[in-house]
Order: sequence, then C-alpha cells, then structure tokens
Amino acid sequence: AQSVTQLGSHVSVSEGALVLLRCNYSSSVPPYLFWYVQYPNQGLQLLLKYTTGATLVKGINGFEAEFKKSETSFHLTKPSAHMSDAAEYFCAALYGNNRLAFGKGNQVVVIP
Amino acid sequence: NAGVTQTPKFRVLKTGQSMTLLCAQDMNHEYMYWYRQDPGMGLRLIHYSVGEGTTAKGEVPDGYNVSRLKKQNFLLGLESAAPSQTSVYFCASSYPGRRGGRGLGPHNEQFFGPGTRLTVL
Repeated sequence: AQSVTQLGSHVSVSEGALVLLRCNYSSSVPPYLFWYVQYPNQGLQLLLKYTTGATLVKGINGFEAEFKKSETSFHLTKPSAHMSDAAEYFCAALYGNNRLAFGKGNQVVVIP
Repeated sequence: NAGVTQTPKFRVLKTGQSMTLLCAQDMNHEYMYWYRQDPGMGLRLIHYSVGEGTTAKGEVPDGYNVSRLKKQNFLLGLESAAPSQTSVYFCASSYPGRRGGRGLGPHNEQFFGPGTRLTVL
C-alpha cells in the first residue's frame, strides 16, 4: 500500500535553531511530493511541492525540502526557526490515481 | 476568488441525527475530495469525485455518502451520525492530471477549505 511516514508526532525546536522534519514515502516509482502546513483552527496551506526537475525545492516562509530517490525521502528544513513556525506540518504523496496519501503530521513547538 | 469554502464551520449532532456538509469551489476544478482529520491520524480520504456526476470511495467511506450534482459543489452526508464520526472535516479540490501516462501533471496541488468541526454526542 502507498504510504507516507513522518516520525515523531511532536517536535520541539528553539527559536533560531534548525527545523528538520523527516518524511519517507513507500513506492518504487517516485510520486509527486508535498509539504502542507496547518495553523491552529485553519485548513491546510501548501508549503512546497516536488514534481520533476530540481531535487531541492524552495517554498514559502523560508522552508525547503530535498527529494532523495535513493532514500525515498523528502525531508523539510528551515535554517532558523521563528515563533510563527509553530504549526502542524504534513507530508503527502500523490500517486498515479490522483489521491494524496498523508503522513500523520508533526506538531512543531517553538521554544523562545 | 473565494477558493474552497465549507459550510457549516461548526456543528453538534446527537447520535442518529443526519446532516449534510457543503463544499463549494470557484476555481473550476474537476476533482474534489472529502477528508477527515483526527488527532495523530493525519488526514484520511473519505470519498472523492473526478468530475460532475461521479463519486468514488476513499480510505474510510463507511457511514458517509456524497454527491456531485454540480461541478462546483461536493456534498458529504451523514445519514445516522455516530460518536466515532466526531472529527474535523476538510474538503479539497484540484485540477486533474495529464491524460494517459501516470495521470500526473503540474496542477495537482490540492486546495483545502477551512474545515468543519463536527461533534456527535
């Protein structure tokens, strides 16, 4: 079955420190990959996506992610965390059936 | 453009009651989706539609029905609500992928509505 794995439901990071959220997908054929962010009591907003081409993808709010086929990974990073980055982050994979498979999410807490 | 809108925003039901959640999009998207979000579970697909008049089951379809009578609207119905259906429901829409091949294309981003918080007592 097609699946997306995000480890660690809660991630704490100090303000100004590196944010690293890990995402792995299960497929021999690379799907399209997405990171979404959800702020409290809101819907999901697209941070960035990988379809084809350059494997390092830059998104909004200083986030970026790197697609690594050999590792079936699409980890999300931000060099310096800001208080406004506190939110829940979801990795998702779009397979050929046009259905998104979501990871379980990472709740990011930023410590002042 | 309003994007994807959902009504109502909040609802409390008693066990056994019925209700319909409405999703509307003004982006002329072909595909529409209904998800439920539960703590620690991520988003799970309930039903989806690849065009007006068509619907299909997703990952967790039991206890729900849907209809897509108009391209811009996608309705989610609960005929007899149960406490297990307490959740936050999200609607999303997207363009279709390329014809043939893997069915993927540059417009496959899904746009999400703000959600409906449903409590079943």
